[in-house]
Amino acid sequence: DAKTTQPDSMESTEGETVHLPCSHATISGNEYIYWYRQVPLQGPEYVTHGLQQNTTNSMAFLAIASDRKSSTLILPHVSLRDAAVYHCILRVGRQQGTGSKLSFGKGAKLTVSP
Amino acid sequence: GGIITQTPKFLIGQEGQKLTLKCQQNFNHDTMYWYRQDSGKGLRLIYYSITENDLQKGDLSEGYDASREKKSSFSLTVTSAQKNEMAVFLCASKGRTEVFFGKGTRLTVV
Repeated sequence: DAKTTQPDSMESTEGETVHLPCSHATISGNEYIYWYRQVPLQGPEYVTHGLQQNTTNSMAFLAIASDRKSSTLILPHVSLRDAAVYHCILRVGRQQGTGSKLSFGKGAKLTVSP
Repeated sequence: GGIITQTPKFLIGQEGQKLTLKCQQNFNHDTMYWYRQDSGKGLRLIYYSITENDLQKGDLSEGYDASREKKSSFSLTVTSAQKNEMAVFLCASKGRTEVFFGKGTRLTVV
């Protein structure tokens, strides 16, 4: 069962800044928040991740709520190439002898119009 | 940089047939995964492996077998293909912080 909740879809226009929300109300203290994106006919691609502090890289800014129960992936100045399904997932921490299990939900489909 | 190679890219099978999908990675990663993705749906974890010869069941392991005989390879077997089944099977491996995915094997059962 996915532990995150995202909207099914979001729409935007080229050049806009997009805020993709994710709710993870039952997150554990040692779980990281990961974001991946997937375009048709490709496997998911890593976007960013964080534990508690906001993070930024060349692709996106990840804002994490102070109680860690929600996060927002912020995509500045989106282009047509940013159209994809964005997955917000929690990385279950290493358990004794079982390694890291990754569970994905449906994700949020971002549509970008010219 | 490394790469994950999945073979075949397309697989057409018959109902009841046993089908094997292969995955190779040259990242030297310990942990590898097999996921299934149905059209318009999320990824569902079938099996994963944290090291050579290790196997861990995911949420969807029934109807599948897996094998990790070498660190670099992880194969998945559909034990009995279901008629009209269509899905994409994705292989992945995990580095220190990122998980890298292959491009998938697209299965159609006729």
